[in-house]
Amino acid sequence: DAGVIQSPRHEVTEMGQEVTLRCKPISGHNSLFWYRQTMMRGLELLIYFNNNVPIDDSGMPEDRFSAKMPNASFSTLKIQPSEPRDSAVYFCASSSLQGSDTEAFFGQGTRLTVV
Amino acid sequence: QQPVQSPQAVILREGEDAVINCSSSKALYSVHWYRQKHGEAPVFLMILLKGGEQKGHDKISASFNEKKQQSSLYLTASQLSYSGTYFCGTARGSTLGRLYFGRGTQLTVWP
Repeated sequence: DAGVIQSPRHEVTEMGQEVTLRCKPISGHNSLFWYRQTMMRGLELLIYFNNNVPIDDSGMPEDRFSAKMPNASFSTLKIQPSEPRDSAVYFCASSSLQGSDTEAFFGQGTRLTVV
Repeated sequence: QQPVQSPQAVILREGEDAVINCSSSKALYSVHWYRQKHGEAPVFLMILLKGGEQKGHDKISASFNEKKQQSSLYLTASQLSYSGTYFCGTARGSTLGRLYFGRGTQLTVWP
């Protein structure tokens, strides 16, 4: 298996623009997580899905952030409009259970820079 | 609800041992340990479940004290490849997918 695949690996955008991050989880995994990593706040869970349904989105910072999982093999995280404070590395991870009992496999991340 | 890790950084010589601690103010169901190398994704090391036993592989092991809501990661006879940032992630229930990660412990192993 190719693992969790994220795209793009790097994204530089101007403040106010829309940004869409993409994730393909490992085939057969039914839980998907979006994390944001910054020096100031560390690794934060933004949202997680189980069987394509959002279970907990309490980590989504504000309405500018939205996430979808239209099917078991694809998820997106959208920021609109983007702001410089959104600059971070965004990780997608997937696991075969709900996450508390088993390991999560992380993608390589998308490094987002908003200027 | 973020767990607290200590120390923040450790510098070792190859072959030395290290202990990284993770503590929570909330009752825990499981503790997960990950290692992240610079510019890479976090990689799973092990999971400790409530009521479970100490786990480990090779020279890396961990313990989970449920009563104290603490976990420790033990690195024995460290190797250069152990360098990286170690994160603990804690979960409060088996049906809750949310993991709260600590701020990380940066481990550097010198030859």
